[in-house]
Amino acid sequence: ETGVTQTPRHLVMGMTNKKSLKCEQHLGHNAMYWYKQSAKKPLELMFVYSLEERVENNSVPSRFSPECPNSSHLFLHLHTLQPEDSALYLCASRSWDTEAFFGQGTRLTVV
Amino acid sequence: RKEVEQDPGPFNVPEGATVAFNCTYSNSASQSFFWYRQDCRKEPKLLMSVYSSGNEDGRFTAQLNRASQYISLLIRDSKLSDSATYLCVVGDVQAAGNKLTFGGGTRVLVKP
Repeated sequence: ETGVTQTPRHLVMGMTNKKSLKCEQHLGHNAMYWYKQSAKKPLELMFVYSLEERVENNSVPSRFSPECPNSSHLFLHLHTLQPEDSALYLCASRSWDTEAFFGQGTRLTVV
Repeated sequence: RKEVEQDPGPFNVPEGATVAFNCTYSNSASQSFFWYRQDCRKEPKLLMSVYSSGNEDGRFTAQLNRASQYISLLIRDSKLSDSATYLCVVGDVQAAGNKLTFGGGTRVLVKP
């Protein structure tokens, strides 16, 4: 248990659905991240929030929409996804130059 | 050039042997360095931070070479449970945020 909690752990959604992934940390960290990991591929940085402000958007399609309402919570809103968006979505948090702690991930399947 | 580059492996290691591998990074201003371990279908977990003076944690030794912009990980007396993908991570504290960049990982397979 790292102190970073992601829900749901597994999600199957149709291409026309709208769903949201949630990440929560109570470690007092000031930066939160969304990463995508497709099968047999490295982690791809999607978004970084620092002090609740989005500071990185790594050319992610608009069908992925992040939200950071406060320093402890991070959401990833999903709509009209494609099958190639099926992947493991990982949330992480850290403070300044310390190590990052990861949630257990949401395994997303788009059908 | 990739920002953080690793040999993907796999490194096939006999149990009890020593294995070492490197990771190169492109940004000379990078400030923090880490090795993570990732097991199949699981989230990455911190193995160790890498300090300028090098550091050791049991059978694991990490080194940082700023001049040549690489970090290394050495595993002594390999155990079957060391089989995993080892991720090199480089952190940059920018003006407005904290960027963490992952390498593609080095796969290690320890065999009896």
